[in-house]
Amino acid sequence: QKEVEQDPGPLSVPEGAIVSLNCTYSNSAFQYFMWYRQYSRKGPELLMYTYSSGNKEDGRFTAQVDKSSKYISLFIRDSQPSDSATYLCAIKPGAGSYQLTFGKGTKLSVIP
Amino acid sequence: GAVVSQHPSWVICKSGTSVKIECRSLDFQATTMFWYRQFPKQSLMLMATSNEGSKATYEQGVEKDKFLINHASLTLSTLTVTSAHPEDSSFYICSADRQDYGYTFGSGTRLTVV
Repeated sequence: QKEVEQDPGPLSVPEGAIVSLNCTYSNSAFQYFMWYRQYSRKGPELLMYTYSSGNKEDGRFTAQVDKSSKYISLFIRDSQPSDSATYLCAIKPGAGSYQLTFGKGTKLSVIP
Repeated sequence: GAVVSQHPSWVICKSGTSVKIECRSLDFQATTMFWYRQFPKQSLMLMATSNEGSKATYEQGVEKDKFLINHASLTLSTLTVTSAHPEDSSFYICSADRQDYGYTFGSGTRLTVV
């Protein structure tokens, strides 16, 4: 079993829809969770960073972490065509560790 | 927020020449920076961890003599692809860990070796 599993999609939704992106992980030692958005031929852009179970909201984005299920989600409300990109989850163990493990990324298309 | 600047954004070079890519942390000091490589439609692959004032730590399978990393200051790390060949053509991305902001990435460098 891979350390981080992420459905690569592609995922296509109409403009204004709520998007749900998910990752599962296998190692309970992972404590820090990040979501990145990557446009084609650009570096990943950090969207959300959290280290506790529960929800964290920032504008149209909500990150959800369930450590008991080893499941993390990113919700995008009122999706826009500009949200079309690849979304990567990334996780790492404790604060002192630098090892960052990425999901394969989910390609999202928001159709006008 | 934390900003990481990477240059150049794209470069074309002839086979056998060397190319240097710079990664700068603009508003914070980065003791450690990371270099990734990304192939089309694939996720990021960690190449090496760059530590200020010491030698870089390379991931298994990455040739340290081909991919030279220098981290001479707390705000600058460089990756030099030596004697580049077409198979080195790829998208190279640096990142730094800003504790309160997570990992921040540069905009990436697209290298094409002809």
